[in-house]
Amino acid sequence: GESVGLHLPTLSVQEGDNSIINCAYSNSASDYFIWYKQESGKGPQFIIDIRSNMDKRQGQRVTVLLNKTVKHLSLQIAATQPGDSAVYFCAENMPSNMLTFGGGTRLMVKP
Amino acid sequence: GAVVSQHPSRVICKSGTSVKIECRSLDFQATTMFWYRQFPKQSLMLMATSNEGSKATYEQGVEKDKFLINHASLTLSTLTVTSAHPEDSSFYICSARAIQGAQETQYFGPGTRLLVL
Repeated sequence: GESVGLHLPTLSVQEGDNSIINCAYSNSASDYFIWYKQESGKGPQFIIDIRSNMDKRQGQRVTVLLNKTVKHLSLQIAATQPGDSAVYFCAENMPSNMLTFGGGTRLMVKP
Repeated sequence: GAVVSQHPSRVICKSGTSVKIECRSLDFQATTMFWYRQFPKQSLMLMATSNEGSKATYEQGVEKDKFLINHASLTLSTLTVTSAHPEDSSFYICSARAIQGAQETQYFGPGTRLLVL
């Protein structure tokens, strides 16, 4: 995962627009990836996952894209709503079967 | 989806006291649970892996005598912060592994905010 920093990168989008949140992962042998959403003062909430044998997976209003060549993961949120405002973390399942988290991105949705 | 609970959700204690945090998997059995710590505006940092019926595995830099972990059953793990100090103030989150389709996925509890005065 990415190194942990004191200041989360922030993505600000207009309500109704699409959001794209990016994540770089560290281990080319990681076989499973998860996106979590964390609202202030709460634990992370599972959003969507993808295995390494896939490059795209769609859920309700969310799509995860995996590019193993460059070790990149993205989360696309369609028609972003105020309730989508949160910090989003990607996590990779390492060969040791441990999850490693990225640094997180704060999504702010402007009404 | 799988539900994980934590208790208490918030605790304030005096320096030097010990605090116990419970993590429960409500609708599934979890042979493995995890304890994380999260400081403001930072990502989750794994503290230890808790295995039912055996000793926890601690990450480098985490004092096992200070953060006591007990995984007494397939649905309960506890984290005890012993002799807490102000620098232990943090957001502690547990997670448990559950089967999601054909894949094991970690589901997180709501977190416990610890404030040590």
